[in-house]
Amino acid sequence: EDKVVQSPLSLVVHEGDTVTLNCSYEVTNFRSLLWYKQEKKAPTFLFMLTSSGIEKKSGRLSSILDKKELFSILNITATQTGDSAIYLCAFYGQNFVFGPGTRLSVLP
Amino acid sequence: KAGVTQTPRYLIKTRGQQVTLSCSPISGHRSVSWYQQTPGQGLQFLFEYFSETQRNKGNFPGRFSGRQFSNSRSEMNVSTLELGDSALYLCASSLEGKSGEQYFGPGTRLTVT
Repeated sequence: EDKVVQSPLSLVVHEGDTVTLNCSYEVTNFRSLLWYKQEKKAPTFLFMLTSSGIEKKSGRLSSILDKKELFSILNITATQTGDSAIYLCAFYGQNFVFGPGTRLSVLP
Repeated sequence: KAGVTQTPRYLIKTRGQQVTLSCSPISGHRSVSWYQQTPGQGLQFLFEYFSETQRNKGNFPGRFSGRQFSNSRSEMNVSTLELGDSALYLCASSLEGKSGEQYFGPGTRLTVT
């Protein structure tokens, strides 16, 4: 059965800290791995990764995929209170499979 | 470009009733997927429609069904509602559903009493 695991499940940091969120997966028919940010509403798309070793960047956020080791990381540098959210990792193969999410709280 | 819209945003039903939720995708997007989100189970995939055909289906009972119209709008129906069906139902659209890059609507919060 396809499975996505995220760690940590919860994280509390202070503004300015750098965080690394982890996502590992056991899936068949891999097509892409996606990261979403969910605040008090629907998830918003952050990154889609299909190739190993290629870093995607958007401002202070970046992500990379390792298809051999079956994991991805999401980095957030110089965190701000507005980064507080649940970060979801999802695998897209036959269907979409979402991980449980990492709840990030950034304190001022 | 307008985003994904879902109606209604909130709904309260009683056990045994049925409900229909609606989703309008981003203009030009032909793939629509539905998800159920609960605190205990997280985001779970219900089904995906593309060009009026159900392309994929998750592990939900037959009480959950859907359809897609020629304009790519989609509806989801849940019959014989159970208390456990209380959840946020999210719809997401993508261009053709091949890459996985999808955009979510605001969701419909369904409460079953």
